[in-house]
Amino acid sequence: DTAVSQTPKYLVTQMGNDKSIKCEQNLGHDTMYWYKQDSKKFLKIMFSYNNKELIINETVPNRFSPKSPDKAHLNLHINSLELGDSAVYFCASSPQGGHLLIYGYTFGSGTRLTVV
Amino acid sequence: DAKTTQPNSMESNEEEPVHLPCNHSTISGTDYIHWYRQLPSQGPEYVIHGLTSNVNNRMASLAIAEDRKSSTLILHRATLRDAAVYYCILRDEWAAGANNLFFGTGTRLTVIP
Repeated sequence: DTAVSQTPKYLVTQMGNDKSIKCEQNLGHDTMYWYKQDSKKFLKIMFSYNNKELIINETVPNRFSPKSPDKAHLNLHINSLELGDSAVYFCASSPQGGHLLIYGYTFGSGTRLTVV
Repeated sequence: DAKTTQPNSMESNEEEPVHLPCNHSTISGTDYIHWYRQLPSQGPEYVIHGLTSNVNNRMASLAIAEDRKSSTLILHRATLRDAAVYYCILRDEWAAGANNLFFGTGTRLTVIP
């Protein structure tokens, strides 16, 4: 059973299109995140959600809209894709409080988005 | 979050111990030291964390300096599977937004067969 699963694994699309990436976790965690890893391999947090509520939006263009239908899912919708959006997007989840200190974050295996 | 400094890259021979250093001279009293690693084409994975005392788990050991301004991740016997980028991250567990992990550039570990 994959703990944090993302789909699709690869996504190639044209500029201007709208696309979504889905993420699901079966760990019972309260908090979920989206991270972006660019071509220079910098991993940067984009959003975090706690129990379906947006906690952090780290200066991400409003073309990116996360949606959390329930605490096990956090999807990322991207409008009007640009070349600079090409990157690997990682979903992650974590428990709260003391359990976070014990178990840490669990990351998905990533979605490689290529905008052409 | 306080900043960490790590070497860009390190090499180790297979089956030998590896010591990955991390400097964090501006660490605050409530910052925990976390280590994650990212294997090629995978998401980061949790390795270990600590506050003041040295820590051991099945993956690695974490040695924390007495003044907490530096720490060392120790892999006791490097295997080819340990080749990855290792990130040292400080997190103030009591700060607002403490759940967010901020990754630096990490150390790319190459294991030589």
